[in-house]
Amino acid sequence: KNEVEQSPQNLTAQEGEFITINCSYSVGISALHWLQQHPGGGIVSLFMLSSGKKKHGRLIATINIQEKHSSLHITASHPRDSAVYICAPMGGNQFYFGTGTSLTVIP
Amino acid sequence: NAGVMQNPRHLVRRRGQEARLRCSPMKGHSHVYWYRQLPEEGLKFMVYLQKENIIDESGMPKERFSAEFPKEGPSILRIQQVVRGDSAAYFCASSPLGLANEKLFFGSGTQLSVL
Repeated sequence: KNEVEQSPQNLTAQEGEFITINCSYSVGISALHWLQQHPGGGIVSLFMLSSGKKKHGRLIATINIQEKHSSLHITASHPRDSAVYICAPMGGNQFYFGTGTSLTVIP
Repeated sequence: NAGVMQNPRHLVRRRGQEARLRCSPMKGHSHVYWYRQLPEEGLKFMVYLQKENIIDESGMPKERFSAEFPKEGPSILRIQQVVRGDSAAYFCASSPLGLANEKLFFGSGTQLSVL
């Protein structure tokens, strides 16, 4: 069993739609990162969360440590949001990575 | 302030050769992490280093792989006697304060292809 489960694995949305990506994990963690990987491989850390909710532009991330669950929301999605989104819970000195959610936003 | 620099961007090696992957962290960052992304798989932690010290190498294969982060110069991930299964994208990330820091900055990765 993977330590991190993301859903959905693949997601296609129309421009403007509200998008939710879910992440459940089984390991004890101190915090969790959401990462964005664009075609061509570059990875960007979007958020680090240890509790509650964070917002950055059209992106919102929430975490419930007790339930071991986090969500990433994208409001008013845009084609440039097309990427792979990776949930990365953090425990000790290392990350545990989800396999990612591949998002395609169609104009 | 340049970001995390990895080179080469692409590296082709024949089976049995050595591969050296370099990572220059962002200025002021003394914590470096190496990750591997196998085809069709997610990222996997390999090793966490601070200057001149290996902090956690629990994700490193026991043989053929080694990493260093010297006092001067980039961090190096070295793979000896490469095999086809080593073909992957290798990413490094850096932070100034370890994983407790708000942001982790990633390099663009090195794509290693073993023929």
